[in-house]
Amino acid sequence: EPEVTQTPSHQVTQMGQEVILRCVPISNHLYFYWYRQILGQKVEFLVSFYNNEISEKSEIFDDQFSVERPDGSNFTLKIRSTKLEDSAMYFCASSPDRNYGYTFGSGTRLTVV
Amino acid sequence: SQQGEEDPQALSIQEGENATMNCSYKTSINNLQWYRQNSGRGLVHLILIRSNEREKHSGRLRVTLDTSKKSSSLLITASRAADTASYFCATSGTSYGKLTFGQGTILTVHP
Repeated sequence: EPEVTQTPSHQVTQMGQEVILRCVPISNHLYFYWYRQILGQKVEFLVSFYNNEISEKSEIFDDQFSVERPDGSNFTLKIRSTKLEDSAMYFCASSPDRNYGYTFGSGTRLTVV
Repeated sequence: SQQGEEDPQALSIQEGENATMNCSYKTSINNLQWYRQNSGRGLVHLILIRSNEREKHSGRLRVTLDTSKKSSSLLITASRAADTASYFCATSGTSYGKLTFGQGTILTVHP
């Protein structure tokens, strides 16, 4: 069964450093998403990406965040200057259509120290 | 309460029993989805029900949707220890499929 692949599985970074979280969505999917889950809290929407551009973003997704789909395969989330409160599990997801269920990746656990 | 709130927060049952989880939401939706999350892992899509549907089945899962009450329920029949996980409802109400998740129900099935 097709999978969404995320790398790395765990990243530790110092406050103020830039991090790039990588995702390979399912190849024939058209909608791409990033979500995060702070430990013990609910899963929060960050951004959706469709037709090579951001289609929706949340208040969390400020100027420190950006997304790219550079080569038609990878889908990346960049945090320019990490803060302690960015520590969370970040999930990538993709879907063939907005009325289909998502396929989520296994997540990247980001720890900012 | 916020969009996509589950009830109960935790549920503990014996193997073979049925488990029912409820979800309430506040705004209009295109569809409502249920996901399972094993500890520290990614979310697995279980079932999607569209706003014009009232009931849907998938294996041992049964989902109902009442748009007049803005609520949904997930029933897992004949539960197994492997069903132990957190279960989340998520509503989709925008054009691009953004999901709003609830806090989840932690289900523990004792062998």
